[in-house]
Amino acid sequence: KNEVEQSPQNLTAQEGEFITINCSYSVGISALHWLQQHPGGGIVSLFMLSSGKKKHGRLIATINIQEKHSSLHITASHPRDSAVYICAVSRGGAQKLVFGQGTRLTINP
Amino acid sequence: DTEVTQTPKHLVMGMTNKKSLKCEQHMGHRAMYWYKQKAKKPPELMFVYSYEKLSINESVPSRFSPECPNSSLLNLHLHALQPEDSALYLCASSKDTDTQYFGPGTRLTVL
Repeated sequence: KNEVEQSPQNLTAQEGEFITINCSYSVGISALHWLQQHPGGGIVSLFMLSSGKKKHGRLIATINIQEKHSSLHITASHPRDSAVYICAVSRGGAQKLVFGQGTRLTINP
Repeated sequence: DTEVTQTPKHLVMGMTNKKSLKCEQHMGHRAMYWYKQKAKKPPELMFVYSYEKLSINESVPSRFSPECPNSSLLNLHLHALQPEDSALYLCASSKDTDTQYFGPGTRLTVL
């Protein structure tokens, strides 16, 4: 079993839908990261969380430390949100990230 | 400047070639990283430099040789690679254990 599990692995939705991607982890962490990777390579860091909730534009990330669970929400989804979303955790203040397998999101017009 | 740059964008090399990948950042970050990413997989950490010293080597084969000449620059020297080393090589930087900023990557093909 991976230390970081994401669900779903693939998600297809229509433009405008509310999207939720889940991440569960099995170890104690110092921070959880949500990353976005568009086709062609570049990775963008969306959020770094150690507690509570963060919002940036249409993106919201939450974390429940007791349940070892985080969610990434996208409101009013748009085709440009189509990408792979990756959850990663860092432990004990370490620089090494442990990655989930990613969720491939496709938003159709 | 919040950008990490990588050159070249694409590289094709034979198994006997020697080549280098270059990564640069001017954000004052003191931690720099090399990752390898195969298709449809998450990135795999290769090396971490912290304050220009190698702090993590994830048991990477010696045909990959990292170098950090100064706090803004990170190189990855490649020699005698195998076809299975073909992948996207990503560089990242951070202020110590903070958010990592990734470059666009170098897509490497080994023939």
